[in-house]
Amino acid sequence: QSALAQPRSVSGSPGQSVTISCTGTSSDVGGYDYVSWYQQHPGRAPKVLIYDVTKRPSGVPDRFSGSKSGNTASLTISGLQSEDEADYYCCSYAGSYTLVFGGGTKLTVL
Amino acid sequence: QVQLVQSGAEVKKPGASVKVSCEASGYIFTASYMHWVRQAPGQGLEWMGRINPDSGVTNFAQKFQGRVTLTRDKSSRTVYMELSGLRSDDTAIYFCTRGNTEYLQDWGQGTLVTASS
Repeated sequence: QSALAQPRSVSGSPGQSVTISCTGTSSDVGGYDYVSWYQQHPGRAPKVLIYDVTKRPSGVPDRFSGSKSGNTASLTISGLQSEDEADYYCCSYAGSYTLVFGGGTKLTVL
Repeated sequence: QVQLVQSGAEVKKPGASVKVSCEASGYIFTASYMHWVRQAPGQGLEWMGRINPDSGVTNFAQKFQGRVTLTRDKSSRTVYMELSGLRSDDTAIYFCTRGNTEYLQDWGQGTLVTASS
């Protein structure tokens, strides 16, 4: 169960859009529609932004969207705001009732 | 509202065991899996395992098989995570988190476990 691959960092200016990728294999990301994304601010617990690849829990702004193609899932944040500066983690079901996280991506809002 | 309240910080010597609790409220305790995720200082999230609070059945990441025990007490709506054979690289914040299908919906505040001589 290797961690999913995410870029270490991404950046964007307020109002712009950024996309964070999450690459796995056919045994996790590519094999199931169970990719979720989490936002974590320093010193805080993570918060779910996206689940089941594209679904947003109530209360999460529609600026956050998810997608998947093959073994790679993506999180897109449009209309960047300063409060979006945080760490972002993808997570996928990996079979046999297990989950696997990505290594995390630090988003900097310039 | 859903609340997951974890026990306080622990300092243990290498080789010892640690047991962290997570008391749940605000939902039907037996209706949702409880997962455990850890985060070493400055590092990413790592999924450890989960327990079905109704049946007690557990599943673990391969890395933690045999070293982590998850139990629950239905009467007190509490889940426990015990990690044995502590090493310095087990120093981390440990989170309990309520599962909803295959994602993690609600999170505890985290418990810092420090393994140091």
